[in-house]
Amino acid sequence: QKEVEQDPGPLSVPEGAIVSLNCTYSNSAFQYFMWYRQYSRKGPELLMYTYSSGNKEDGRFTAQVDKSSKYISLFIRDSQPSDSATYLCAMSDFNKFYFGSGTKLNVKP
Amino acid sequence: DTEVTQTPKHLVMGMTNKKSLKCEQHMGHRAMYWYKQKAKKPPELMFVYSYEKLSINESVPSRFSPECPNSSLLNLHLHALQPEDSALYLCASSQDLAGEQYFGPGTRLTVT
Repeated sequence: QKEVEQDPGPLSVPEGAIVSLNCTYSNSAFQYFMWYRQYSRKGPELLMYTYSSGNKEDGRFTAQVDKSSKYISLFIRDSQPSDSATYLCAMSDFNKFYFGSGTKLNVKP
Repeated sequence: DTEVTQTPKHLVMGMTNKKSLKCEQHMGHRAMYWYKQKAKKPPELMFVYSYEKLSINESVPSRFSPECPNSSLLNLHLHALQPEDSALYLCASSQDLAGEQYFGPGTRLTVT
């Protein structure tokens, strides 16, 4: 079993839709959770990070962590074609970083 | 400023060449990383430097040789690479080993 599981998609939505991206994990030692956005042939860009369970909001993005269920989500409101990219979740046990496999998102105009 | 820079952006090299990839950050971060990323895959960790000392080497072949000249710079020396080493090479840095990582734009390497 992988440390971090992420649905690879692709996920295709119309412009303006609410997008939900999810990761599950098995290691209860993970304490730090991150979401990255990666455009084709570019480096990953850190979108959000959080230590705690609950929600963290930044503009159109909301990161949600449920440690009891070992489940994290990224919500994108009012999605735009410029949001089309691969989204990677990442987690840390303060010793090592673990990436999900990435979900490819396509927002259609 | 959360910028990590990498040079060159693109590199084509033959299997007998020697080349180096460079990475620089001026955020005062004490941990720096090299990753390899193949198409449609997540980044794969190669090396970790913490306080300028190599702390993790993920069983990377010796044809890849990292170097950390100072706290802001990270190099990856390449020698006798194979075509399967063609990939996007990413550098990242973080405040310490526990913190969120900031990535550079990557060097796209093609080995012919």
